[in-house]
Amino acid sequence: KQEVTQIPAALSVPEGENLVLNCSFTDSAIYNLQWFRQDPGKGLTSLLLIQSSQREQTSGRLNASLDKSSGRSTLYIAASQPGDSATYLCAVLTQGGSEKLVFGKGTKLTVNP
Amino acid sequence: KAGVTQTPRYLIKTRGQQVTLSCSPISGHRSVSWYQQTPGQGLQFLFEYFSETQRNKGNFPGRFSGRQFSNSRSEMNVSTLELGDSALYLCASSPTLLAGSYEQYFGPGTRLTVT
Repeated sequence: KQEVTQIPAALSVPEGENLVLNCSFTDSAIYNLQWFRQDPGKGLTSLLLIQSSQREQTSGRLNASLDKSSGRSTLYIAASQPGDSATYLCAVLTQGGSEKLVFGKGTKLTVNP
Repeated sequence: KAGVTQTPRYLIKTRGQQVTLSCSPISGHRSVSWYQQTPGQGLQFLFEYFSETQRNKGNFPGRFSGRQFSNSRSEMNVSTLELGDSALYLCASSPTLLAGSYEQYFGPGTRLTVT
């Protein structure tokens, strides 16, 4: 059974700091890994999608890496801003005939002005 | 291009009632997946529909069901509501089957409160 863990559960940083969010998963049989952002009471906004054959993806100040063999992904946020405050979720799309997104519990990020 | 829309956005129901939630995918998208989000369990997969057929199902009781129409719009039904069904219900769409490994686009969700 696929399990996804995100560490830390919460993180508070001053504006301008670079930060790393971690995601680990137990089964390497995945199609892809996706990072999402969720603002309170809202739906999910897709940030980055990394296919299982890829090592990293970049979008603006965000960079996500994937090491499928070790079951790890990181989301790097450069020069954080107060508007980055949200909960960040990672999810893996499982293989094996019963495809589904399996989510971690998220990291709640607060960027202080 | 319009995003994924969900109606209603908020719903209050009483235990024992049933409820139907609706999801309209992005135009051209044929796969719709449903998820339940609660503070305790996080986001959990309910089911995926593609071409009007349920393709995959999560570990939820039979009270949770769904369907998809020929225009790819999907509905989810929960019968005999329980207090524990209170949650944010999210749907996501993608161009084709989940196995196609495309990006998933989520709607704003329906907040269901069961009293």
